[in-house]
Amino acid sequence: AQKVTQAQTEISVVEKEDVTLDCVYETRDTTYYLFWYKQPPSGELVFLIRRNSFDEQNEISGRYSWNFQKSTSSFNFTITASQVVDSAVYFCALRGDSSGSARQLTFGSGTQLTVLP
Amino acid sequence: DTGVSQDPRHKITKRGQNVTFRCDPISEHNRLYWYRQTLGQGPEFLTYFQNEAQLEKSRLLSDRFSAERPKGSFSTLEIQRTEQGDSAMYLCASSYPGGRDGYTFGSGTRLTVV
Repeated sequence: AQKVTQAQTEISVVEKEDVTLDCVYETRDTTYYLFWYKQPPSGELVFLIRRNSFDEQNEISGRYSWNFQKSTSSFNFTITASQVVDSAVYFCALRGDSSGSARQLTFGSGTQLTVLP
Repeated sequence: DTGVSQDPRHKITKRGQNVTFRCDPISEHNRLYWYRQTLGQGPEFLTYFQNEAQLEKSRLLSDRFSAERPKGSFSTLEIQRTEQGDSAMYLCASSYPGGRDGYTFGSGTRLTVV
């Protein structure tokens, strides 16, 4: 079975602060894929990043960065110099590669990020 | 292509009625997925199509739920004899094989059963 845990239910920061959203996952698959999605109040899930299990290189995209650590089964997401527009629910998701799980994403329960002006 | 479209955006129905939702995926994507999201939770997988074939169904998809994807284009999700527990956001997503470049989600259909 696959599981994604986002222990932080809600986080509030003041604009320009850095914030890290935690994600811990469980899977028995040796090959798997990790995702982050943003869900603004409009409801649409916006794709942010896809990372496969054999690529542990950290990634930076503008103010966003991701830290993938296989040893601790974590895929954390950092927003640098946060802005009010970053306020949303952020979901971490996992897709395994074995039959029965190879097509579906397993999502965490999400972290509500509020950036205050 | 404007992304994944879902219709309607909102649906209020009385308990016991049938409802049908539609999803139009990105035209180049041959895979289509349905998810259900309840308040404060992440989306949960319901079912998946590759072209017109329904290849996987979650145990969440009771016999009151049926999904189709005729001709491998748009998809419909029907719920018969709705119950209050069916109230949720129903999300559709599409992707290329293997989910490369991620899964593109629609804005969802919010169902309220009264």
